[in-house]
Amino acid sequence: DIQMTQSPSSLSASVGDRVTITCRASQSISHYLNWYQQKPGKAPKLLIYGASTLQSGVPSRFSGSGSGTDFTLTISSLQPEDYATYYCQQGYTTLTFGQGTRLDIK
Amino acid sequence: QLQLLESGPRLVKTSQALSLTCTVSRGSINSTDSYWTWIRQPPGKALEWIGYIYFKGATYYSPSLEGRFTISVDTSKSQFSLKVTSVTASDTATYYCARAGDCGGTSCFDHWGQGILVTVSS
Repeated sequence: DIQMTQSPSSLSASVGDRVTITCRASQSISHYLNWYQQKPGKAPKLLIYGASTLQSGVPSRFSGSGSGTDFTLTISSLQPEDYATYYCQQGYTTLTFGQGTRLDIK
Repeated sequence: QLQLLESGPRLVKTSQALSLTCTVSRGSINSTDSYWTWIRQPPGKALEWIGYIYFKGATYYSPSLEGRFTISVDTSKSQFSLKVTSVTASDTATYYCARAGDCGGTSCFDHWGQGILVTVSS
């Protein structure tokens, strides 16, 4: 299986901050990388697919980039509703998720 | 808007089988661009893809999981199901059903059920 490693595992940030989360694949996955947001007690929500395509209805402050093994999710100006856990997921071979990054209020 | 809803027992005894059903509504389970998926999440831990099924019955499972997992589909009821045999405490998790669609040539999960917490206990 391809291993997906997210960093950091957790971070604290303030409203209005620019936040970047990294996801690294153990081998090249081209652009087959998706990002999800999960709030406590809720199902995950698809944010970005294909490394950089914003899912319909997702605010434009979210963006994704990368290809090969290194990917980033960026929130340009953090909003109160963005505090959540974020997961990357590769779709190159057998589907696997990263371990998650928890984003807390600073 | 497609809706998925999990159902099944919330408490299962160790060594027994766990069976869950996902009912698909406001959309067709016979959709040619959908794979019907089970994902689980142990308490406080990450998501784990279990497998998915096409409406015609083809299945794909995570090779990381030993062969205790079976996914089936009943198109007449717009349902698909998960069975896990010989459960242990490590199978305690929230189980989600989801739709895997094509996202730029690969699979992404764009519709999810609310999840059902299943606890395995002796």
